[in-house]
Amino acid sequence: DIQMTQSPASLSASLEEIVTITCQASQDIGNWLSWYQQKPGKSPQLLIYGATSLADGVPSRFSGSRSGTQYSLKISRLQVEDIGIYYCLQAYSAPLTFGSGTKLEIK
Amino acid sequence: EVQLVESGGGLVQPGRSLKLSCLASGFTFSNYGMNWIRQAPGKGLEWVASISSSSSYIYYADTVKGRFTISRDNAKNTLYLQMTSLRSEDTALYYCARHTVADYWGQGVMVTVSS
Repeated sequence: DIQMTQSPASLSASLEEIVTITCQASQDIGNWLSWYQQKPGKSPQLLIYGATSLADGVPSRFSGSRSGTQYSLKISRLQVEDIGIYYCLQAYSAPLTFGSGTKLEIK
Repeated sequence: EVQLVESGGGLVQPGRSLKLSCLASGFTFSNYGMNWIRQAPGKGLEWVASISSSSSYIYYADTVKGRFTISRDNAKNTLYLQMTSLRSEDTALYYCARHTVADYWGQGVMVTVSS
């Protein structure tokens, strides 16, 4: 099974700050990596798919990148509405596996 | 507008069965693979099962293999999850999600396994 190691587990940042969350895959998954945001009491929302493609309606301050088997989600200017928990998901092969999540708070 | 609406959850005793449904609308259901994903209270997301658009390919997490069955009825635009031999560790909010990239999610349905 492919393991997704997500870091950090929690993050506190200031408004307008740049925030980066990473997921390390245990083996090659190509671009089969998606990022999700989950706000309290809500269903997860797709932010990024194919490692770098922005989902419809997602603000352009969100971006995804890939370097080998390391994937990153960047929020270029943190906003209040960005608080929540962020997850990565590999869909390269079953079993699909999520990262453990990153809880993002405003400092 | 894409909508996924889960139903069928509830409180069930250990060892019993339950069947979840996910009614899809706003897109051509028969063109998309579907997933069940769950989230235990206060925990992260766990993929449960996937089914391809024509039911040709089905995959399960090891934690549910042999106990859960994913299926779909494209004529009814509905995805199912038949859960048997339920355990306390199956207690979770169950989401259905569209496509390999899980681009749309339902609101979730709670399953509580307890005596």
